[in-house]
Amino acid sequence: EIVVTQSPATLSVSPGERVILSCRASQTIRYLAWYQQIRGQAPRLLIDAVSSRATGVPARFSGSGSGTEFTLTISSLQSEDFALYFCQQYHSWPLTFGQGTRLEIQ
Amino acid sequence: QLQLQESGPRLVKPSETLSLTCTVSGDSINSDSHYWGWLRQPPGKGLEWIGSVSYTGTVHYNPSFISRLTISVDTSTSQFSLHLTSVTAADTAVYYCARRPYYHGFDVWGPGTSVAVSS
Repeated sequence: EIVVTQSPATLSVSPGERVILSCRASQTIRYLAWYQQIRGQAPRLLIDAVSSRATGVPARFSGSGSGTEFTLTISSLQSEDFALYFCQQYHSWPLTFGQGTRLEIQ
Repeated sequence: QLQLQESGPRLVKPSETLSLTCTVSGDSINSDSHYWGWLRQPPGKGLEWIGSVSYTGTVHYNPSFISRLTISVDTSTSQFSLHLTSVTAADTAVYYCARRPYYHGFDVWGPGTSVAVSS
């Protein structure tokens, strides 16, 4: 099983700031997705295949990385971006998620 | 527009079987390029993939559940189902069904259904 680790667990930031969330896999993977989860809602696919924005996702969200190290960057935080973010590998079964990073308003 | 909707009991007794159904509408479940999956999220915790099924019935299970899990698909009703036996309080969670195209992430999710395991 591929273990996926996210850091940090919580990030306190201010609107307008640029933020980078990290995701590390325990072995080399090719397929990684990022999800946003607003409290009380189902997760929403943000980034697919490491760097492809899902339909309707604003351009301020971008994904990058390779091998075992991946990042999600939000270029300028908006109020609606304060949420929980998960990365997930689908390189191999079983599918696994990171523990999540919560963005909080500073 | 594709929509998924979970249904099933909100309360299950310990040692009993948790059974949920996901109804697919707005598009066909008979797709040879999608998996249909179950995931869950215990209160205050992260997401956990439970298992996935294709329209042909091919299944992939999380090893953590394999001894007590069955996922099946019924193309005639556009539904797929989860059956988890011998539940305990640790199975209390919001359960989601979701679609995952091959070689992609989960792109469409149901709203989730909260299930509590309690006597």
